[in-house]
Amino acid sequence: SAVISQKPSRDICQRGTSLTIQCQVDSQVTMMFWYRQQPGQSLTLIATANQGSEATYESGFVIDKFPISRPNLTFSTLTVSNMSPEDSSIYLCSVEGGSGTGSYEQYFGPGTRLTVT
Amino acid sequence: EDQVTQSPEALRLQEGESSSLNCSYTVSGLRGLFWYRQDPGKGPEFLFTLYSAGEEKEKERLKATLTKKESFLHITAPKPEDSATYLCAVHPVSSSASKIIFGSGTRLSIRP
Repeated sequence: SAVISQKPSRDICQRGTSLTIQCQVDSQVTMMFWYRQQPGQSLTLIATANQGSEATYESGFVIDKFPISRPNLTFSTLTVSNMSPEDSSIYLCSVEGGSGTGSYEQYFGPGTRLTVT
Repeated sequence: EDQVTQSPEALRLQEGESSSLNCSYTVSGLRGLFWYRQDPGKGPEFLFTLYSAGEEKEKERLKATLTKKESFLHITAPKPEDSATYLCAVHPVSSSASKIIFGSGTRLSIRP
């Protein structure tokens, strides 16, 4: 399975500012995913990021609020823009397994815990 | 609409007391069902993939089973270190490529 790191691990930010979260994978992957996990809740997919194309956003998430970059096959960033306290969550990136068996499990990074004051 | 429901929300067991967690799903077709473990403040850790009814997977004290409507995560003689939130997720045939849907999880607490 891939080894995934995220930076920062946590941050406290002021309302109205932006934060960029980095996700680094130790191997080349086609698809990367960004999730949000609000306190006490399960995971909600924000967007899917393929290298060389625009990210695909899920219902309720827009590019202006959550711009994503995918400059190469091992790296992606998610920016949380114009933050409000409602954006306080854990943000997780993941990659798909890919053992060649048609398996679709995903492997997750350690997460970025964001608190907006 | 594709849905995943986990029960119970929380479960407290005594060390050594075996039990099962339930994941019920409603999908048009199933590509795969996944179980994850999540410790507080960490990302989910992949445990198992199940593809078809009747399939079973085991890892240490955990065994996952699958029917056409639900999956169970059986935990045998649990230890305090098994305390975590266990998440179930499905990959429906109807979803866009690789999109999986997570349940709300079961918080498992094992008392020594």
